[in-house]
Amino acid sequence: AQSVTQPDIHITVSEGASLELRCNYSYGATPYLFWYVQSPGQGLQLLLKYFSGDTLVQGIKGFEAEFKRSQSSFNLRKPSVHWSDAAEYFCAVGARGSQGNLIFGKGTKLSVKP
Amino acid sequence: DVKVTQSSRYLVKRTGEKVFLECVQDMDHENMFWYRQDPGLGLRLIYFSYDVKMKEKGDIPEGYSVSREKKERFSLILESASTNQTSMYLCASTPRGSFMVTEAFFGQGTRLTVV
Repeated sequence: AQSVTQPDIHITVSEGASLELRCNYSYGATPYLFWYVQSPGQGLQLLLKYFSGDTLVQGIKGFEAEFKRSQSSFNLRKPSVHWSDAAEYFCAVGARGSQGNLIFGKGTKLSVKP
Repeated sequence: DVKVTQSSRYLVKRTGEKVFLECVQDMDHENMFWYRQDPGLGLRLIYFSYDVKMKEKGDIPEGYSVSREKKERFSLILESASTNQTSMYLCASTPRGSFMVTEAFFGQGTRLTVV
């Protein structure tokens, strides 16, 4: 069965520091991978996605993620965090041949210190 | 700009009431979903629909039902609301792609409190 693990429930970084949010997935074939962000009281917004090709993908708001098949990981990174990045981040996997459903991790809440 | 619109941002209902949560999308998407979001549990799929009048149970369908009479509208129904259904409810839609999942477009969420 497919699953997504986000090992960090809550991370705090200082503004201007670099950020890496971890995501590990369990899936038998090449998955479709996504990162979403949710600001307080809002719905989810897509940051970036990986379907195939270059394993380093660029997203909105200066985020990038790297797909590593050998580690079953799809970690999200940002070189310099801004206070407005404080939010909850969800990693998700989509199944080939499915009806469009995504399996979500439990989320990582990011706090940013001034 | 693509849109998924949920009819209410906040709702407060009494235990035992029948509750309707409405979701409308303007992207002509075939697939629509209802998720429930709780702290520490992430998003859990309640029901989804891949066509008008079609519905499929997700991971936690108990206590819920759905209705899809028109392509653009997907309703979540709490037949008899209970306090353990207090949660954030998120609607999403995706286009149908052959053997491919594209990103889901989400509504802004409905925070339901059952008292």
